[in-house]
Amino acid sequence: GNSVTQMEGPVTLSEEAFLTINCTYTATGYPSLFWYVQYPGEGLQLLLKATKADDKGSNKGFEATYRKETTSFHLEKGSVQVSDSAVYFCALGSSASKIIFGSGTRLSIRP
Amino acid sequence: DADVTQTPRNRITKTGKRIMLECSQTKGHDRMYWYRQDPGLGLRLIYYSFDVKDINKGEISDGYSVSRQAQAKFSLSLESAIPNQTALYFCATSSGGADTQYFGPGTRLTVL
Repeated sequence: GNSVTQMEGPVTLSEEAFLTINCTYTATGYPSLFWYVQYPGEGLQLLLKATKADDKGSNKGFEATYRKETTSFHLEKGSVQVSDSAVYFCALGSSASKIIFGSGTRLSIRP
Repeated sequence: DADVTQTPRNRITKTGKRIMLECSQTKGHDRMYWYRQDPGLGLRLIYYSFDVKDINKGEISDGYSVSRQAQAKFSLSLESAIPNQTALYFCATSSGGADTQYFGPGTRLTVL
């Protein structure tokens, strides 16, 4: 069945460091891929998405490219800020309008 | 005002009690979802509804029931709460397909 595997956390970086959070998926067909972010005390919100192979989603300086050949959708940011501290979830859109979420990666940024 | 609201935001209850969590949305979406979040496990789907007359079980529906009272309202009930139902519960909506889901702020439920 469809599944998502993402990098375990927590990840701790210094401000202005480069960020990569790895995400790989298993799926039949061509699912949409998402990154959601959960700030402390809040619900999840969409960070970015890609709907087909080679698409790049981007938002707030974050990017992820839909790589069908490696079944990956890694999240990157060139220079992180303290305000990026949150939990990040990789997800894929499955059949029947459901989304399958990874287990989440907690990111902490030190000033 | 928030597009997806959940009440209550926090609830502490005792084993065996019946609990209802409520979700309302102003996005006009047909599809609504209930998830449970546990540390290290991500989000797991409890129930989902494509419209008022269409209710479907998710991966962890045992011990839960739902009611879709209107397009904008989707309630989750725990008929007889047990301690391992202690978790953070989220409601979400979408317009259809494998489209973006919009989440409420969550309800933290503790069952003693």
